[in-house]
Parts: sequence; C-alpha cells; structure tokens
Amino acid sequence: DTGVSQDPRHKITKRGQNVTFRCDPISEHNRLYWYRQTLGQGPEFLTYFQNEAQLEKSRLLSDRFSAERPKGSFSTLEIQRTEQGDSAMYLCASSSTSAVDNEQFFGPGTRLTVL
Amino acid sequence: AQTVTQSQPEMSVQEAETVTLSCTYDTSESNYYLFWYKQPPSRQMILVIRQEAYKQQNATENRFSVNFQKAAKSFSLKISDSQLGDTAMYFCVETSGSRLTFGEGTQLTVNP
Repeated sequence: DTGVSQDPRHKITKRGQNVTFRCDPISEHNRLYWYRQTLGQGPEFLTYFQNEAQLEKSRLLSDRFSAERPKGSFSTLEIQRTEQGDSAMYLCASSSTSAVDNEQFFGPGTRLTVL
Repeated sequence: AQTVTQSQPEMSVQEAETVTLSCTYDTSESNYYLFWYKQPPSRQMILVIRQEAYKQQNATENRFSVNFQKAAKSFSLKISDSQLGDTAMYFCVETSGSRLTFGEGTQLTVNP
C-alpha cells in the first residue's frame, strides 16, 4: 500500500459548476477524514467517516457540500454550485481505530481553483 | 472548543543550528494528544512527533524533541542540527478523539 491517494490533484472550474473529488485511504484504515486548507493557513476539519457512517460534520460544511463513503473504502467529496470562496486545497486523511492517538495519514490533496 | 495558536508565522535558521517553534493550545478535554506535523513544499503532510498528554516525559524522535508544559498548555518543538530538508511548514496539532485541530503554521526555512 502506497498511502492515501487523491484524485484529481488539481481542478480548475468556473463558478457555478459542480466538482467531485475522490480519496482512497490506506486499505486497512476504517476512518477517513476531509479537511480544507486555504493558502497560508492550517487545515480545517470538514467531516469524517468510520466505515460507511458519516459520524461528524463541521459547520464549515455548507449544504452545497456532500461527502460519501458508500462501501467503507474510498470516499467522494462533491461541491455543488461552486463559489470563488471554495478555492482551497482539499485534504483527505485516514486512520485506524486501533491507533489510540488517532494519528492520521494524509494524501497529497486536491487543489481547487474556482474562476 | 479546542484551539491551537502558533505565534511565529515564519522562522529561519542556519544549517546545523538549533531552532525552537512555539505553540500554545486550549482544550477542555482531560485526555488528548499533541502532534507536530510537517508539510514540505508541494508535498504531503507527515507526522514529525507525538506527545500523550498524560505522559510527563517529553517526546524525542532523533533530532526532534518537544517541551510539553501541561499546566501552561504549551507545546514547543526543538529541531537540533537543522538540515536543508527540514524546510517546511510546521503545524502544531491537538486531538482528543476524531478531528485534528491545527494551528496556523510556522514556515521554517533552513539556510545553507
């Protein structure tokens, strides 16, 4: 296993379009997280899954955002009717519930630019 | 709510010297963990060092060590014998279960 992967790495879209990102976690990890990172800032938590269940969502996750993890493996994050303020790096991370300290392993991120 | 504050947006150090990055945090949880993560330019975030809050002994990982002051809610990172490859954004992070709470980051530049 080569770690957490994300696709695409870069996405440029026009305001009002829908975009979808994919994250493939480390195979034995049952927890998957999404974070958003704007330029020069630390990542901010968006949501997380344990297996298929979405257990927590941040207030940052407006109703234009939806995340799924249908089979408890990969996850998708969809943004509908994109706005310029959605421009950011979207990071995915995974961890195992057996890790007491909840160390999370990060993917390379998807950089979204909304024109 | 948990908060993490890093008051040094940028720092620089000469190769082979020692540098300390500062961090303070606030949490109402009694059991929590603290991390320093490193984000090199255009590369993914990786864990540098971890500290369990109930352990008084400061964590050490090779050239990296922390100074954990629980009462003061302070968690600084010391990098000894700095190397060019240490150039990165460093994030102080707190977690008590699921989500990670990140500080604003400190951009460290190691100069030759």
